[in-house]
Amino acid sequence: TQLLEQSPQFLSIQEGENLTVYCNSSSVFSSLQWYRQEPGEGPVLLVTVVTGGEVKKLKRLTFQFGDARKDSSLHITAAQPGDTGLYLCAGASAGGTSYGKLTFGQGTILTVHP
Amino acid sequence: NAGVTQTPKFRVLKTGQSMTLLCAQDMNHEYMYWYRQDPGMGLRLIHYSVGEGTTAKGEVPDGYNVSRLKKQNFLLGLESAAPSQTSVYFCASRVKPRDIYEQYFGPGTRLTVT
Repeated sequence: TQLLEQSPQFLSIQEGENLTVYCNSSSVFSSLQWYRQEPGEGPVLLVTVVTGGEVKKLKRLTFQFGDARKDSSLHITAAQPGDTGLYLCAGASAGGTSYGKLTFGQGTILTVHP
Repeated sequence: NAGVTQTPKFRVLKTGQSMTLLCAQDMNHEYMYWYRQDPGMGLRLIHYSVGEGTTAKGEVPDGYNVSRLKKQNFLLGLESAAPSQTSVYFCASRVKPRDIYEQYFGPGTRLTVT
């Protein structure tokens, strides 16, 4: 069974601060996705990283995939109250029998105070 | 284009009662998934389907059954509800896997079993 350990579980910061969320595993993933979920809604995809060492930027969000494709991080610069939400990492396994299944981390609840 | 819809949005059951959750998608996706989300545990896969008429067990299938009689619908059944099944249930769909393709989630069903 593949596991993704996500940390921290809770993050409460002031507007303008920077933060990093980590996602770690002992397993190799073919790709890793980051989702954001708001209360009462389903998760929505932010980004997918595929190549080891890959870095993707989405405005103030920077996503990195570890060289060995076992870990990933999400860094937010100058957080804003609109960034508040639940952030989930999810790993996908390669192979025809994976059927697109994802292994999710536990999630990080981010609260950004004005 | 509604995407993924789920009915009902909320439901309260007594222990031992049965119910069916309906998921519908209008994106012609082959693959569909049922997850449950509990605090601090991310999303866990219950059952999934890789096409009309096919279903398979996920990580936590006990106490649930599913059916996919039509490509656009994926039903999740609880034959005899237990308090441990109190959770938020999400349905998702995606195209036939290539790893980088995202899963599209419905808005969720909040189920309470008393």
